[in-house]
Amino acid sequence: EVQLVESGGGSEQPGGSLRLSCAASGFTFSDYNMNWVRQAPGKGLEWVAYISGHAVTMSYAVSVKGRFTISRDNAKNSLYLQMNSLRAEDTAVYYCARGLDIFHSGWHFDYWGQGALVTVSS
Amino acid sequence: QSALTQPASVSGSPGQSITISCTGTSSDVGAYNYVSWYRQYPGKVPKLLIYDVSRRPSGTSNRFSGSKSGNTASLTISGLQTEDEADYYCSSHTSSSSLGIFGGGTKLTVL
Repeated sequence: EVQLVESGGGSEQPGGSLRLSCAASGFTFSDYNMNWVRQAPGKGLEWVAYISGHAVTMSYAVSVKGRFTISRDNAKNSLYLQMNSLRAEDTAVYYCARGLDIFHSGWHFDYWGQGALVTVSS
Repeated sequence: QSALTQPASVSGSPGQSITISCTGTSSDVGAYNYVSWYRQYPGKVPKLLIYDVSRRPSGTSNRFSGSKSGNTASLTISGLQTEDEADYYCSSHTSSSSLGIFGGGTKLTVL
């Protein structure tokens, strides 16, 4: 069974940093591209970042580029999101979401974690 | 980059069919057959309903169907059921520097 479990959420002041983790199980982690998607309270979904299966390619939403860094450790079956220079508008539930396997082309998210709440407030 | 455009809300009666549109540009919806749709119940995790415009993952009811024409994709739900009441989001790959984009979401009410 595919499972994605986020951790590391919490409260931080504007300008601060947080690191989210996502522990994956039930599939060959290195064979899949991974993403972070967020949802501000009462708002819609926003794609945040993408990393390819072997971390060759990363991509970011304009809203977080230069402040957030996505990474992965395939030996530990883990995905990370380092969030620096946090702003109030970064307040959201952050979901770890599995993308396509590295052998196919496309764009969708077939499994999602339960989400980690990040609150940025003074 | 602006979100894909979806109607804020749609409604229908049990047994009816409804369609939710998702309008993008020639850089996203119009450029790729990589449109997906997600359903989200309040307080719950989004679930993939449709991918690659019209493909259904195992477990998705055949009451859900997807299509695309030009820069607009559509999700049709036939035989509406009360359990279909939820928020629906479209997403597309994009040729911009950011790889992906979501729609603003549509709240479906089953009257």
